Amino acid sequence: SQTIHQWPATLVQPVGSPLSLECTVEGTSNPNLYWYRQAAGRGLQLLFYSVGIGQISSEVPQNLSASRPQDRQFILSSKKLLLSDSGFYLCAWSAAQGGANEKLFFGSGTQLSVL
Amino acid sequence: AQSVSQHNHHVILSEAASLELGCNYSYGGTVNLFWYVQYPGQHLQLLLKYFSGDPLVKGIKGFEAEFIKSKFSFNLRKPSVQWSDTAEYFCAVNFGSYIPTFGRGTSLIVHP
Repeated sequence: SQTIHQWPATLVQPVGSPLSLECTVEGTSNPNLYWYRQAAGRGLQLLFYSVGIGQISSEVPQNLSASRPQDRQFILSSKKLLLSDSGFYLCAWSAAQGGANEKLFFGSGTQLSVL
Repeated sequence: AQSVSQHNHHVILSEAASLELGCNYSYGGTVNLFWYVQYPGQHLQLLLKYFSGDPLVKGIKGFEAEFIKSKFSFNLRKPSVQWSDTAEYFCAVNFGSYIPTFGRGTSLIVHP
């Protein structure tokens, strides 16, 4: 069966420090991968999505970047964190072949606090 | 721009009360519709989805949702809620692509 792993679960970082959040998927090949940010009262905001290795699409211009070095690995990064980067970050995957009616499978999330 | 609106941000009910959570979207084309749920301490997971056929769809745990195309709505319902339904509920819409747009979410608290 397919599983998605996301770590760390919580992270406290000072302003200006770098960030690296990792997400890996097991049990499937060539998944679509997503990074979302969940802010209180603001729902889920799509940050990045990827349909293949090295293919990253950004939905919102910001201080973050994403990379997909391997088929089932998706990394969210920042060179210098801002206070506004605080939030709950969710990784998700969906089966590429299903199209628009495929559901997303979410990771457990990372609570990032930038101080 | 395409958007998804959830009008009820916080809902508090007693057990056995009926539930209806609103979801509206702004798009006149073909859509695929989803409700996701996040129970306390658990992953966000799919509750139900609609992509064609009968506009009344049934999901897990007694939930159902009705797609009303003329109203651009996909409201979630449950006739009698339980304490275990306490969770955050998200409506999501695929506007002609595989990438869903999520609503702001509704926090439901059910008192025993």
